Amino acid sequence: QQPVQSPQAVILREGEDAVINCSSSKALYSVHWYRQKHGEAPVFLMILLKGGEQKGHDKISASFNEKKQQSSLYLTASQLSYSGTYFCGTERKGYSTLTFGKGTMLLVSP
Amino acid sequence: GAGVSQTPSNKVTEKGKYVELRCDPISGHTALYWYRQSLGQGPEFLIYFQGTGAADDSGLPNDRFFAVRPEGSVSTLKIQRTERGDSAVYLCASSAGQGSYNEQFFGPGTRLTVL
Repeated sequence: QQPVQSPQAVILREGEDAVINCSSSKALYSVHWYRQKHGEAPVFLMILLKGGEQKGHDKISASFNEKKQQSSLYLTASQLSYSGTYFCGTERKGYSTLTFGKGTMLLVSP
Repeated sequence: GAGVSQTPSNKVTEKGKYVELRCDPISGHTALYWYRQSLGQGPEFLIYFQGTGAADDSGLPNDRFFAVRPEGSVSTLKIQRTERGDSAVYLCASSAGQGSYNEQFFGPGTRLTVL
């Protein structure tokens, strides 16, 4: 039931783009994205609720394809501050709790 | 305003001992979640409170784990007869309501080490 994230790790130079994927074998109601820096608590990025919904803030955006049970996180023109581990948390229909993936480690270098 | 706080930040105990981990959520948040995070893994759901009651405790690994939230605010996660495999960071999160529409605010975690 744990969503699968890909890739496991990404190394970028500042200014490059990245895509992180999250897929589930179960029907999803929502997808939540968080970023966690080493030794710190996860920090909320965004929630996607509807099939086909896309959201974004700053240069980070995401999409959610309910039919395919997939979500993607798009990071454009990456900044050093984007470094960290990104987790998707999926909410299944009928449940009120999140199941998190194993995370995607992103390292942005100067 | 104050975020979610957790105490202690670190706890070292011996195998077989009892431990209590405390979570103080954001004031007014009705939903409270406990997670466990091992190195290189995402947060693993343990239990979810809505108000004073445990709405979903399906993530508790066995009956050595128990959590309470008697007044609908502070919560305590209790682990009896600790085992080395219980070593992890225990995260608490709170939100203004349940599920989909509400972001969860995480605390800094308690790092539990069982020797």
